[in-house]
Amino acid sequence: GDSVTQMEGPVTLSEEAFLTINCTYTATGYPSLFWYVQYPGEGLQLLLKATKADDKGSNKGFEATYRKETTSFHLEKGSVQVSDSAVYFCALTHSGGGADGLTFGKGTHLIIQP
Amino acid sequence: GAVVSQHPSRVICKSGTSVKIECRSLDFQATTMFWYRQFPKQSLMLMATSNEGSKATYEQGVEKDKFLINHASLTLSTLTVTSAHPEDSSFYICSARKGETQYFGPGTRLLVL
Repeated sequence: GDSVTQMEGPVTLSEEAFLTINCTYTATGYPSLFWYVQYPGEGLQLLLKATKADDKGSNKGFEATYRKETTSFHLEKGSVQVSDSAVYFCALTHSGGGADGLTFGKGTHLIIQP
Repeated sequence: GAVVSQHPSRVICKSGTSVKIECRSLDFQATTMFWYRQFPKQSLMLMATSNEGSKATYEQGVEKDKFLINHASLTLSTLTVTSAHPEDSSFYICSARKGETQYFGPGTRLLVL
C-alpha cells in the first residue's frame, strides 16, 4: 500500500536559518503530494501541493518540488521565522486531494528559536 | 474561508459507554467528509470516508459496527464510538472536502477509562 516517510523530529533551528524537511513516498501510479501544517491548538492546514511530476508547490515562502525519479517531495524555506514553529505533515492521495482520503507521514515538529 | 469544527474537543468516558463526535463545516457544504485517527507520535490514519446521504466507506481493519458514521446533512458528520474501551483512546480528526482540498477540524481527544 501507499506510505509516506518523513524525517524524524523535532527539528530545532535558529531564526533566519534555511529549512529542509525531507519527505519520500511509496505509491502506485502518479499520486498528488501535499504538505500540511498544524500550529499549536489548531487543525491541519494545507500549506502547498503538487499534482504531477516536476510541479513546484509554493506558499508563504515554503516550496516543494514533486520529484518522481526520487519519489520525494522535500519541503524548503530560505529563512524561517519563529512563527513557522509547528508540526509539518507530508501526505499523498490519488485523486488530487478531494475525493480520496490522504495517506500521511508521521509529522515533523519544527521549533524555531529567536 | 473554509472552517471545520469538531465537538467536543476533549472527552473522557467510562469503558463500555458510547461517545459521539461531531464534525461540522461552518461556511461551506461538504458532500464528503473523512475521519482520521492519530496515535501519539504516529501518522494520521484514514478510518472512513463519509458521504452525505449514503453509507460510509471504511478502510480495511476498521470495524464499522464499532465506529458508526452518519452524514445526514451537507454540513454535519458524526462519529460514534460504541462500547468504547481503553484501546479506543486516541485523537480523532475529521476533514471536509471543498473542491479538491480537504479542510481539517481541530481534533477530538478521547480518553476511555
